Amino acid sequence: SQQGEEDPQALSIQEGENATMNCSYKTSINNLQWYRQNSGRGLVHLILIRSNEREKHSGRLRVTLDTSKKSSSLLITASRAADTASYFCATEMNYGQNFVFGPGTRLSVLP
Amino acid sequence: NAGVTQTPKFQVLKTGQSMTLQCAQDMNHNSMYWYRQDPGMGLRLIYYSASEGTTDKGEVPNGYNVSRLNKREFSLRLESAAPSQTSVYFCASRLLRGDIQYFGAGTRLSVL
Repeated sequence: SQQGEEDPQALSIQEGENATMNCSYKTSINNLQWYRQNSGRGLVHLILIRSNEREKHSGRLRVTLDTSKKSSSLLITASRAADTASYFCATEMNYGQNFVFGPGTRLSVLP
Repeated sequence: NAGVTQTPKFQVLKTGQSMTLQCAQDMNHNSMYWYRQDPGMGLRLIYYSASEGTTDKGEVPNGYNVSRLNKREFSLRLESAAPSQTSVYFCASRLLRGDIQYFGAGTRLSVL
């Protein structure tokens, strides 16, 4: 079974609104990363948050990590049509090189 | 910078045929990865190479082999393709454990 699970599976919002996506995982991690994938393209890294960090910002992106609940959230503020994409969380465990990706959240931002 | 380059971009095979997917990175990264992406399932790790000269199985290695040819190149081989291997394949690399991964544009493979 997959380590990471995103919620919701799909999200549709209007331009200018905020979008929040959640990720849950099952075992202890070294870090958690969020990636974006535009349709038919490769994945692009957004933010990496380490297990000893609680919050990180990058432009309009805010990521939180709650290791006690084994969950993370990605907030995109003031969304734009160009934010339309699939968003994935990926967890790296404390051992080995294994990355585990969740199934992703498909975000649609309507103009 | 080219980053991570995958070839080919598209491929159609018949069941039982073999092929090799190529991946090269120009960022002097130590670790390289092969994933497959199926609809609604995210990415699953097939094989990885933590450093030149080493390879290890990931979550779904059956039906695949890999070769870390040198520090730059990491190939994925399908010896006898099956329809279940129809997928989009991504190669990724990173410098060190704990770093972010950089992805190629993917190879869309259809096995008929």
